[in-house]
Amino acid sequence: GQQLNQSPQSMFIQEGEDVSMNCTSSSIFNTWLWYKQEPGEGPVLLIALYKAGELTSNGRLTAQFGITRKDSFLNISASIPSDVGIYFCAGKGGGSNYKLTFGKGTLLTVNP
Amino acid sequence: ETGVTQTPRHLVMGMTNKKSLKCEQHLGHNAMYWYKQSAKKPLELMFVYNFKEQTENNSVPSRFSPECPNSSHLFLHLHTLQPEDSALYLCASSPRTGNTEAFFGQGTRLTVV
Repeated sequence: GQQLNQSPQSMFIQEGEDVSMNCTSSSIFNTWLWYKQEPGEGPVLLIALYKAGELTSNGRLTAQFGITRKDSFLNISASIPSDVGIYFCAGKGGGSNYKLTFGKGTLLTVNP
Repeated sequence: ETGVTQTPRHLVMGMTNKKSLKCEQHLGHNAMYWYKQSAKKPLELMFVYNFKEQTENNSVPSRFSPECPNSSHLFLHLHTLQPEDSALYLCASSPRTGNTEAFFGQGTRLTVV
């Protein structure tokens, strides 16, 4: 089956720093999604990408759909304490395969 | 608030108990999902319902029994669970199964003792 490798597994940064994380796939995806999960909550969709090469922003967050369609990147600029949480990538293949494949997540800790 | 509500938020049950998890969405979505989230593992899709019909059972043991009485409600009936079934169970919905922008509930933290 499809697998996603998400890295890094965890990050400890100072408030104000920029953050980068990425996901790579063993196969091609047609859609990439990035979710954030805070403690005690379910994942919340941050950004959805539908086209290879697409670059999309949501406030201080920017995500890109890799040209090879096998990877995606999420950047957070000028981090703040409320950015703390687990960030998940998810991908969907083509055709009738509507199932999402999730990465294991990146745990982000921001020190004030 | 994503529009998907799960109850209870926390549940502790013995291996011989029978309990049910409930999920409700008022987003007008037609597809609903159950996911299992265990520590250090990716989210695992368990069941998919589309217009109240089950379209996916991802090799889930029969001690988990889903029920979807209508497009707004989804249940997960639990019986004779094992300690390794302890996890966060997440419900999600989307406009249709082909739509990948799923909205998740807050989850039920299940502990089997």
